[in-house]
Amino acid sequence: GIQVEQSPPDLILQEGANSTLRCNFSDSVNNLQWFHQNPWGQLINLFYIPSGTKQNGRLSATTVATERYSLLYISSSQTTDSGVYFCAVENQAGTALIFGKGTTLSVSS
Amino acid sequence: NAGVTQTPKFRVLKTGQSMTLLCAQDMNHEYMYWYRQDPGMGLRLIHYSVGEGTTAKGEVPDGYNVSRLKKQNFLLGLESAAPSQTSVYFCASSYSVPTNTEAFFGQGTRLTVV
Repeated sequence: GIQVEQSPPDLILQEGANSTLRCNFSDSVNNLQWFHQNPWGQLINLFYIPSGTKQNGRLSATTVATERYSLLYISSSQTTDSGVYFCAVENQAGTALIFGKGTTLSVSS
Repeated sequence: NAGVTQTPKFRVLKTGQSMTLLCAQDMNHEYMYWYRQDPGMGLRLIHYSVGEGTTAKGEVPDGYNVSRLKKQNFLLGLESAAPSQTSVYFCASSYSVPTNTEAFFGQGTRLTVV
């Protein structure tokens, strides 16, 4: 089945720093989503981004489908950005999302 | 607007006991999913449903059963709980195939099997 790899596995930042999270996937996909899991465990959909670039406030994402990767940019990080960031792509049947193992981000003040 | 609601939020089971986790969505979504989350493993798909009355196996279906008798509900059953099923379980739903739509998640159920 399709493989989803995220890097780095862990990231520690000072408040105000910028960061880039990467998601590589092993096969072509028509859907890619980024999620944030906050310290309370809630999963929030950040971006639905099968290709191209989107921005939402301090967060932006770029997916280059032809090269099988996506990047999530966090600018001017805040402590509330802490948590786990997941990348998810559709399975080969196109019927469900397959998740990477996530990047754990810790932002300290 | 409740979105996706999971019941219960926490549960402790003894080995061999059975239980059912309920997922309800009020967005009229066709697709529903059950995932488990374990440390260092990310979210792994257990079972999913592409519509009322249908179910299919995901990556880790062993030890679980599901039912989708009503469009808005997706039930996950553990017939004989094992310590390896200690995990956080998430339900999700989407309007259509993941190819062209967003997925929304419930708040999770933390299950401990002792």
